[in-house]
Amino acid sequence: TQLLEQSPQFLSIQEGENLTVYCNSSSVFSSLQWYRQEPGEGPVLLVTVVTGGEVKKLKRLTFQFGDARKDSSLHITAAQPGDTGLYLCAGPFRDDKIIFGKGTRLHILP
Amino acid sequence: ETGVTQTPRHLVMGMTNKKSLKCEQHLGHNAMYWYKQSAKKPLELMFVYSLEERVENNSVPSRFSPECPNSSHLFLHLHTLQPEDSALYLCASSQGGSFTDTQYFGPGTRLTVL
Repeated sequence: TQLLEQSPQFLSIQEGENLTVYCNSSSVFSSLQWYRQEPGEGPVLLVTVVTGGEVKKLKRLTFQFGDARKDSSLHITAAQPGDTGLYLCAGPFRDDKIIFGKGTRLHILP
Repeated sequence: ETGVTQTPRHLVMGMTNKKSLKCEQHLGHNAMYWYKQSAKKPLELMFVYSLEERVENNSVPSRFSPECPNSSHLFLHLHTLQPEDSALYLCASSQGGSFTDTQYFGPGTRLTVL
């Protein structure tokens, strides 16, 4: 059982469409982070959400932290080919480790 | 370019070989990390160094041996690896050793064990 479950595992959509990917847990996290990893590169931090119910926007990306701090979502508006990549969520757990989800592999078709 | 470099970018080795992975950070950070990224598993933390002292070892097999000679350099020495050790090995650094600190990742070394 994964502490952080990400869904869907794979998503392929046309340029211009909207999409939402999810990161869910049965555990409470003090914060959650979203990373994007492009082929041949390491993950790059996009955002950290800290407060339950928090919404953060990064251009066409909207991140939301659940009220109970057990889940988070990433919504992309008008997806572009440059959004293609592996989206990872991660969070500190029990003060001594960081947990990653398996990720959602997103492919935007031109 | 995140300020964290890794060499080599690709490595193929036999099970009896000894090799080393190198990571260097140019960010003035005090903590460095080794992660393993396999195709079907989440990113797994292997080792954490804070101020050049190892503070975390997540039950990694002894065939992986880390070395941190100073706060800018981190090595992962490999010997008698198994085919299941084939993966992308990522290095990261952060300002402090807390897991709430932002981590900056290098591009990784793609390791194939034959």
